[in-house]
Amino acid sequence: EAGVAQSPRYKIIEKRQSVAFWCNPISGHATLYWYQQILGQGPKLLIQFQNNGVVDDSQLPKDRFSAERLKGVDSTLKIQPAKLEDSAVYLCASSLDRGTGTGYTFGSGTRLTVV
Amino acid sequence: ELKVEQNPLFLSMQEGKNYTIYCNYSTTSDRLYWYRQDPGKSLESLFVLLSNGAVKQEGRLMASLDTKARLSTLHITAAVHDLSATYFCAVDPGLFSGTASKLTFGTGTRLQVTL
Repeated sequence: EAGVAQSPRYKIIEKRQSVAFWCNPISGHATLYWYQQILGQGPKLLIQFQNNGVVDDSQLPKDRFSAERLKGVDSTLKIQPAKLEDSAVYLCASSLDRGTGTGYTFGSGTRLTVV
Repeated sequence: ELKVEQNPLFLSMQEGKNYTIYCNYSTTSDRLYWYRQDPGKSLESLFVLLSNGAVKQEGRLMASLDTKARLSTLHITAAVHDLSATYFCAVDPGLFSGTASKLTFGTGTRLQVTL
């Protein structure tokens, strides 16, 4: 089966600019996650969707970050305006159903550098 | 709030030696995952541990889960250079949390196997 697709792979922007990332989960996976991984740290959950509804966005800096998942499939994560501390890898993951124990599949990530 | 701690944070070991990475978590959970991450790459799933006393082995790696102690271990037997990577444990509190399924990651253990 095809994996979780993300684009772009790399992005360099200046602070105060805006940027958007795209994620296409595995077909049929109802739950989609965006994680932020700062260099040298473990991934941190930013937002979780169940179909096209937000389940958890408690750690999303809502003054600058936004995300949507239209039609319960693809998702975009936007940062506006970006700050230096937003430099990180943004990972998208999807899961089918926790009841099956199949776990989570992660995409290759988007590496963002804010200069 | 669920906290996940790993130790050691950095491990340098010689080829052929054995060692164990520890993962402690703060709240009751019924699912624990181990991932491997190579530099610049995404997360590769290694093990999914679904119940107390679960033990899984793949090659030179063996993972176990003790839900009563809130502890998981990743044991490395006769290390080889190819095992050099960063290893993360991640906890899904699942039904015990009353919230939707999601992963909270540990800090990661950077493993360096020297020749």
